[in-house]
Amino acid sequence: QQQVRQSPQSLTVWEGETAILNCSYENSAFDYFPWYQQFPGEGPALLISILSVSDKKEDGRFTIFFNKREKKLSLHIADSQPGDSATYFCAASGNTGNYKYVFGAGTRLKVIA
Amino acid sequence: DAGVTQTPRHEVAEKGQTIILKCEPVSGHNDLFWYRQTKIQGLELLSYFRSKSLMEDGGAFKDRFKAEMLNSSFSTLKIQPTEPKDSAVYLCASSGTATEVFFGKGTRLTVV
Repeated sequence: QQQVRQSPQSLTVWEGETAILNCSYENSAFDYFPWYQQFPGEGPALLISILSVSDKKEDGRFTIFFNKREKKLSLHIADSQPGDSATYFCAASGNTGNYKYVFGAGTRLKVIA
Repeated sequence: DAGVTQTPRHEVAEKGQTIILKCEPVSGHNDLFWYRQTKIQGLELLSYFRSKSLMEDGGAFKDRFKAEMLNSSFSTLKIQPTEPKDSAVYLCASSGTATEVFFGKGTRLTVV
């Protein structure tokens, strides 16, 4: 049972473009959505997160757009850099402060210079 | 300030062997998680401890997988007996009160 879905599975963009990574979920009780970035040989690291009471969260070149009604969110990476090439995981939890996350399968991003 | 430390980084086991993976969480963190990561299944929760108490043991992983937390600064994941399908990256993570979840670099297990 896949409660958190991500698309596309892989994405290639040119340097300077905006990469858009999508995520959807099924459980209405989810209210906290972190995005993790993982480089090869490393563990995932928190990139940016959003609470369900917000519809947008920005941190530098990274922006989360959240649509609670449609149970969808997306991560936009503006001015993509080759160093952004990594796998990005969308996660969800049902209780802020409860860090038992459900993870999506990930999107592998490649940024070409 | 040390992050989550996992050892070994790589492990090769023969089918049927018992292996033990180790994790040291961030000092002061109360929550500890073990995940299995594969390309097909992604990140799957194996075990979840809060203040050393086992909160969740991962359902389908119960029969051959056993995680323990003997003290607040050390946890082990035992797989017994290993099977080739257990080949994956095993990630340990920890979090404190109102902090993010920090992951270790993982142990890559290969079962032949």
